Amino acid sequence: KQEVTQIPAALSVPEGENLVLNCSFTDSAIYNLQWFRQDPGKGLTSLLLIQSSQREQTSGRLNASLDKSSGRSTLYIAASQPGDSATYLCAVTYYSNSGYALNFGKGTSLLVTP
Amino acid sequence: DGGITQSPKYLFRKEGQNVTLSCEQNLNHDAMYWYRQDPGQGLRLIYYSQIVNDFQKGDIAEGYSVSREKKESFPLTVTSAQKNPTAFYLCASSLTGRSYNSPLHFGNGTRLTVT
Repeated sequence: KQEVTQIPAALSVPEGENLVLNCSFTDSAIYNLQWFRQDPGKGLTSLLLIQSSQREQTSGRLNASLDKSSGRSTLYIAASQPGDSATYLCAVTYYSNSGYALNFGKGTSLLVTP
Repeated sequence: DGGITQSPKYLFRKEGQNVTLSCEQNLNHDAMYWYRQDPGQGLRLIYYSQIVNDFQKGDIAEGYSVSREKKESFPLTVTSAQKNPTAFYLCASSLTGRSYNSPLHFGNGTRLTVT
């Protein structure tokens, strides 16, 4: 069974710092990995999707990397801002007995302090 | 603007009553999903639908039912058989089924409280 883990569960950094969020998965046979942002009481917003054949994706101050062989992905946030405060979740798409499946990590809650 | 609309934002029900959560999308997406989010447990898949008039059980379908009569709509009914219905419910859609290489788009959720 594909397990997705995000460490740490919570992170607090001062404004301006560069930071890395981690996501690990137990089965390297994935189709893609997505990073999402969730603000309190809201739905999830897709940030980046990395195909299994890709090593990284970039969007503005965000850079996501994927190392399938080691079962890891990182989300790098450059020059963090208080507006980046949210919960960040990763999810992997893989093929299970019942077809394609998507498993989420429990998220990392990020607080960027002014 | 295209998007997914969930209503209502907050819903309160008495135990033993069935309740239906609405989810509408105007993204012309084929696939739609319902997730449940509980503190400390992450998102768990309840039901999904890859095309109109077809849907499949997810990991925690017991006590829930869905329909997909129109491409734009995927309502979720929480029945009295659901043991712990109080949760945050999220609806999502993707261009193709099971989000294989197409990102998930989420609504803003419905918080259901059953007393």
